[in-house]
Amino acid sequence: KAGVTQTPRYLIKTRGQQVTLSCSPISGHRSVSWYQQTPGQGLQFLFEYFSETQRNKGNFPGRFSGRQFSNSRSEMNVSTLELGDSALYLCASRAGWVTGEQYFGPGTRLTVT
Amino acid sequence: TQLLEQSPQFLSIQEGENLTVYCNSSSVFSSLQWYRQEPGEGPVLLVTVVTGGEVKKLKRLTFQFGDARKDSSLHITAAQPGDTGLYLCAGATGNQFYFGTGTSLTVIP
Repeated sequence: KAGVTQTPRYLIKTRGQQVTLSCSPISGHRSVSWYQQTPGQGLQFLFEYFSETQRNKGNFPGRFSGRQFSNSRSEMNVSTLELGDSALYLCASRAGWVTGEQYFGPGTRLTVT
Repeated sequence: TQLLEQSPQFLSIQEGENLTVYCNSSSVFSSLQWYRQEPGEGPVLLVTVVTGGEVKKLKRLTFQFGDARKDSSLHITAAQPGDTGLYLCAGATGNQFYFGTGTSLTVIP
């Protein structure tokens, strides 16, 4: 069974631009979560989607948004990029919403210049 | 609010030595997961523990969940260079996961 895939793997953007990251969960998994990982803050939860609905949201500004499609694939968008948005963005999928183990993708390394 | 504290933050040991990493919290979790992450890659799930006092072994790795389900430990016997990486614990409460601060392990050949 294929694992979680994320595209692109690397991205360089300029301050003020916007970016969209994509995540395809493990087949049959309906929940997708997004995390931001930086050396200073560690792994921080952004939001979780289940059945196309956002179920949980972390403490991030409204510039960070996401959505989930009927095939469970998910996208995350960051608008008006700031230098501090440079990070590894990780997507994780699990079978259910309340239960199930999380499996991570390889991440998208975003660099904002 | 950081719910899970890991210690030590950094650990550098010689090949063959034993080590223990701790994951502590004042919160109760329904389950706890341990991950290992290599640079530039996503965390890879090692184990999930769900019962207070539970002990799980994965080859040279031994995981224990505290009786009160607030803390956990990871013990590695005879560490090898391939064990090098960032070890993360994650506690599940309700329907959300909270990640620990991480322990960066380097095993020197």
